[in-house]
Amino acid sequence: NAGVTQTPKFQVLKTGQSMTLQCAQDMNHEYMSWYRQDPGMGLRLIHYSVGAGITDQGEVPNGYNVSRSTTEDFPLRLLSAAPSQTSVYFCASSPDLRGSETQYFGPGTRLLVL
Amino acid sequence: TQLLEQSPQFLSIQEGENLTVYCNSSSVFSSLQWYRQEPGEGPVLLVTVVTGGEVKKLKRLTFQFGDARKDSSLHITAAQPGDTGLYLCAGETGNQGGKLIFGQGTELSVKP
Repeated sequence: NAGVTQTPKFQVLKTGQSMTLQCAQDMNHEYMSWYRQDPGMGLRLIHYSVGAGITDQGEVPNGYNVSRSTTEDFPLRLLSAAPSQTSVYFCASSPDLRGSETQYFGPGTRLLVL
Repeated sequence: TQLLEQSPQFLSIQEGENLTVYCNSSSVFSSLQWYRQEPGEGPVLLVTVVTGGEVKKLKRLTFQFGDARKDSSLHITAAQPGDTGLYLCAGETGNQGGKLIFGQGTELSVKP
């Protein structure tokens, strides 16, 4: 199993550009989520999904869109990039919704918005 | 807003020393997890505690969940350079539909 994979690993964008961060998992997990990690702030939840076709907002959803058309994939779209979105983005998956379940994280995407 | 406060934020110690990292909140958590993250990688789960007062051991690491389930600690005995990394606590409040609240993290550096 590859686990959770994320592409790209690094990306530089100009303000106003759009892009999609890809996330895929091969563990047949129902629950997937996107976090951003900024220095001194831990991980903050952007969006999450409890299954194909179902998504919901997390703590910091503004400026981001998600969709979940399959169990395996959960892309994160930046509609119009802003410097405040410079961060490291992590995708995670889990067998179910319970917070006590192990979350498996991808290796991250480092995004710089100029 | 539920907050998880971790302390200290940074810790630099010599190999062989002991250390404790704290995770505190005013909220009650139905479960609490500790993750370790190495540079350039995603966090990896170390342990999950669910019962107030619970103590779990993982080799030289001891995790404790407070009796009131509002706080937790991670104690490392005889730290080694391989313990270097970012340690994160994450709590589930039960009424958040399984969503986790993460602490700010503790950056640990163990020098040989």
